[in-house]
Amino acid sequence: SYELTQPPSVSVSPGQTATITCSGDKLGTKYTSWYQQKPGQSPVVVISQDTRRPSGIPERFSGSNSGNTATLTISGTHAMDEADYFCQAWDITTVVFGGGTKLTVL
Amino acid sequence: QVQLQESGPGLVKPSETLSLTCSVSGTSITGYYWNWIRRPPGKGLEWIGYVYLGGNTNTNPSLKSRVTVSVDASKNQFSLNLRSVTAADTAIYYCARLVGATDNIDYWGQGTLVTVSS
Repeated sequence: SYELTQPPSVSVSPGQTATITCSGDKLGTKYTSWYQQKPGQSPVVVISQDTRRPSGIPERFSGSNSGNTATLTISGTHAMDEADYFCQAWDITTVVFGGGTKLTVL
Repeated sequence: QVQLQESGPGLVKPSETLSLTCSVSGTSITGYYWNWIRRPPGKGLEWIGYVYLGGNTNTNPSLKSRVTVSVDASKNQFSLNLRSVTAADTAIYYCARLVGATDNIDYWGQGTLVTVSS
């Protein structure tokens, strides 16, 4: 079955750029979405279709996808961005999530 | 606005069947992909399965033999049955709407904690 691999954790200082990767075989040929989940809350999509930022998502969130890796970039990270982040793609007819990355802002 | 609400028992005994229902409001259930997703304690999101277009379904291969996802369009609801549960099935279960094939999830329920324990 198709697998998406994320680093378990990423740390960043406030105001700096956070980069979270998601790797999968030929992932660049599929659309990737990114979700943010804070404790006690449901996930929220922050990037869809590789690069689209839904209404209400701050401009500091951006995405890219090429080759075998999709990337979520948070520029000028805020303390409120501390959360778990999951990538998601389709493998033909099934939905696949990455294992998730805990972003710590310290 | 679109709202999803999970309902069902919060405690299920080992070897029994976990049954949840998702009530959908603000949109017709006859379109889109309607999903079940779970998050076990300390772990990541796991897609369970979806139902769409009048009852067609697809499920995670790792759970396929134990999962049934169904829809009741007359009630604007869809449901999950997970058979022969073990403690490993303890998780927060979410229902969610997926816009379409290759697209993202745009609406989630608040989630419901289901614990498997005797």
